[in-house]
Amino acid sequence: DVKVTQSSRYLVKRTGEKVFLECVQDMDHENMFWYRQDPGLGLRLIYFSYDVKMKEKGDIPEGYSVSREKKERFSLILESASTNQTSMYLCASSSGSTAGGLYNEQFFGPGTRLTVL
Amino acid sequence: AQSVSQHNHHVILSEAASLELGCNYSYGGTVNLFWYVQYPGQHLQLLLKYFSGDPLVKGIKGFEAEFIKSKFSFNLRKPSVQWSDTAEYFCAVNVKRDDKIIFGKGTRLHILP
Repeated sequence: DVKVTQSSRYLVKRTGEKVFLECVQDMDHENMFWYRQDPGLGLRLIYFSYDVKMKEKGDIPEGYSVSREKKERFSLILESASTNQTSMYLCASSSGSTAGGLYNEQFFGPGTRLTVL
Repeated sequence: AQSVSQHNHHVILSEAASLELGCNYSYGGTVNLFWYVQYPGQHLQLLLKYFSGDPLVKGIKGFEAEFIKSKFSFNLRKPSVQWSDTAEYFCAVNVKRDDKIIFGKGTRLHILP
């Protein structure tokens, strides 16, 4: 059974803290993604990676960075957390070798609900 | 700017009613189209997708969607809903030229038993 796991389901941090969100997939997928999900706004892409050490900005990269040192792991970093980064963060992965390209069926993790006080 | 519109933010139906959730997008080029579903407390998962070929695609759990290129639409349908279809549904469009993906804001579907 394919699986995307995220390091925490719930996280509470203080303004200014550095926050690491970890994501691991066991499907040998080339592509990995970080989204944030907010009520009434749907999913918005923060960053994605199509290969180890490669990263591309999504629609809302400001205030975030990412790291992909290994194929199975994609980390989202909030350098200095702010209250407007309180959100649900979803990690996803997809196989790069299909007709659907980068955004072929994405497999999502359970999400990390981050609260920044 | 490219966008995806889901016209209904919250839909309430009784069991056995027919369902149609609207999805329109604002890009005229080649697209891949998706519907994802998030059941309460569960991961987001793929319901169905369209890349090319027959514009009527069938997904899991009796759902189907029709791609109408002239209307820039990809509406989701189910002839008879069940209580277990209660979930949030997201339409997503992959703009192939830019290799971007855009999600709609979601539709919360509540089925009354």
